[in-house]
Amino acid sequence: EAEVAQSPRYKITEKSQAVAFWCDPISGHATLYWYRQILGQGPELLVQFQDESVVDDSQLPKDRFSAERLKGVDSTLKIQPAELGDSAMYLCASSRADTQYFGPGTRLTVL
Amino acid sequence: GNSVTQMEGPVTLSEEAFLTINCTYTATGYPSLFWYVQYPGEGLQLLLKATKADDKGSNKGFEATYRKETTSFHLEKGSVQVSDSAVYFCALRTGNQFYFGTGTSLTVIP
Repeated sequence: EAEVAQSPRYKITEKSQAVAFWCDPISGHATLYWYRQILGQGPELLVQFQDESVVDDSQLPKDRFSAERLKGVDSTLKIQPAELGDSAMYLCASSRADTQYFGPGTRLTVL
Repeated sequence: GNSVTQMEGPVTLSEEAFLTINCTYTATGYPSLFWYVQYPGEGLQLLLKATKADDKGSNKGFEATYRKETTSFHLEKGSVQVSDSAVYFCALRTGNQFYFGTGTSLTVIP
């Protein structure tokens, strides 16, 4: 069964450093989502792509976060500079039709 | 607006007990409804879904029925196991957007 791939699984960084996360969606899935999940809470949407276009980035802190999906396949989420409050799980998901499939996530710890 | 409300946890049950986790929603139009499960340190896994009123989603002994009249999608299982210990999220999809509840933590003790 195809899965959404994410890397790295864990990332520890110091505040003010830059970090990047990678996501490879299930083949053929045009819609890709990046979520942030703070411990004990549900996922919060950061950005949503349809193919290579951003369709919703209203909750993305654009002063420090950026996301791209240049060829409409895999995607990168970047944070620069990282802040202590960015410590969270970053989840990528893809969908076709009405169901969303999640990757394993990247656990970010900012020291 | 669109939103999902789940019963607050944590929920602790003995093995073989009956499980209900309540979920109600507010949505425009006719959303699809989902339950996801998240094990510690992992991403969310789709547990079951229902796409229209009166549909019943089921998987691994879990069931949920799409009740339009009460705007609910409660998760049930007749006999829980220790391996069911996880966090459960109710979600809805409308258009191409998904909305998640805050999650309900379930611990099953032997």
